[in-house]
Amino acid sequence: DQQVKQNSPSLSVQEGRISILNCDYTNSMFDYFLWYKKYPAEGPTFLISISSIKDKNEDGRFTVFLNKSAKHLSLHIVPSQPGDSAVYFCAASAKENSGGSNYKLTFGKGTLLTVNP
Amino acid sequence: KAGVTQTPRYLIKTRGQQVTLSCSPISGHRSVSWYQQTPGQGLQFLFEYFSETQRNKGNFPGRFSGRQFSNSRSEMNVSTLELGDSALYLCASSLEGAIDYGYTFGSGTRLTVV
Repeated sequence: DQQVKQNSPSLSVQEGRISILNCDYTNSMFDYFLWYKKYPAEGPTFLISISSIKDKNEDGRFTVFLNKSAKHLSLHIVPSQPGDSAVYFCAASAKENSGGSNYKLTFGKGTLLTVNP
Repeated sequence: KAGVTQTPRYLIKTRGQQVTLSCSPISGHRSVSWYQQTPGQGLQFLFEYFSETQRNKGNFPGRFSGRQFSNSRSEMNVSTLELGDSALYLCASSLEGAIDYGYTFGSGTRLTVV
């Protein structure tokens, strides 16, 4: 049962254009969402996050949008640069332990973004 | 400050053997979590340690175990290796285990079982 889904295994965009990566989730208990970027042979690097009390969060060229009713989030990268080429993972967490903190991440399977010069 | 350090970076083991992987968290971080990344299943949560205690566990067989030392360094052990255990094993550290307060991954250990 895949609770976080990234339905596009790959995406190719031109440098300078917008990249939009999508993610859907099924667990309504998820209340914190993150995007990670991963290069081969390296660990995931945190990009941006959003709490379920918000619908948008911006950090420089990266914006994450959350639509709770649709259980959908997206990552926008504007403008896209060749250095953005990597696998992007969507991840989600829920307050599952007795202490009430988000302790584990549930990941999607990733989307390979290629930004062409 | 130094990031999360995982050793070794690469390992090749034979089916049936056991293996131990190491993770040194960021200085001051007391929580260490482990994840397995495979092409078919993506990244999956293995377990989380905090102050030398396993607090949370994912859905993996008992062949997967771990521990945490008083200096917060953690080791993960896989016994009776199977071909399907070939994966990238990642650890992540955080201050208290709460993801919304920062969660940093290491570069991983690539385990190949032959």
